[in-house]
Amino acid sequence: AQTVTQSQPEMSVQEAETVTLSCTYDTSESDYYLFWYKQPPSRQMILVIRQEAYKQQNATENRFSVNFQKAAKSFSLKISDSQLGDAAMYFCAYRSAKGATNKLIFGTGTLLAVQP
Amino acid sequence: NAGVTQTPKFRVLKTGQSMTLLCAQDMNHEYMYWYRQDPGMGLRLIHYSVGEGTTAKGEVPDGYNVSRLKKQNFLLGLESAAPSQTSVYFCASRAGGSGELFFGEGSRLTVL
Repeated sequence: AQTVTQSQPEMSVQEAETVTLSCTYDTSESDYYLFWYKQPPSRQMILVIRQEAYKQQNATENRFSVNFQKAAKSFSLKISDSQLGDAAMYFCAYRSAKGATNKLIFGTGTLLAVQP
Repeated sequence: NAGVTQTPKFRVLKTGQSMTLLCAQDMNHEYMYWYRQDPGMGLRLIHYSVGEGTTAKGEVPDGYNVSRLKKQNFLLGLESAAPSQTSVYFCASRAGGSGELFFGEGSRLTVL
């Protein structure tokens, strides 16, 4: 069974600085998707960025980028120029690209605080 | 612009009571999911559906039942609520293929 591990329960960053959130996963599959979701205090789950495993190029969305290391099964999120609005719980998630279920499997989350 | 709508948003139950959470999506999505979120445990899949009339068990299905009689609705039922079912419940849906998962706003359930 696939698993997703986020080893940093909490992180803190100064406003305008850069922070990296770690995520590792375990799978025997070769074709899958990886995601980072943001959950602010409003509780809404917001997709931050996604990565297809077959793509070697790391995904980027404005100030958010990932470091995808397929062989190491690592998928870290880098937030550049951190803003107060980035403070939230961040979840890493995995989904197989095959099969009828394609369930999204989540890590336990990293709570990010942004200090002014 | 509704997306995924969950009702109710908040509910307090006594042990042994029953209730149903309703999830409705207006995006014609095939796949629908119910997750629960607990502190330190992330989101765990309860049940899911790959199409109208189908349901399947997820990671933590015990104590819950689901139904998908209409494509746009996915109901989560608690027949006899227990304090261990105190949680925040999220519904989500997506289209087929590599479709993004869309989440509802969550429903906070407290069982006393």
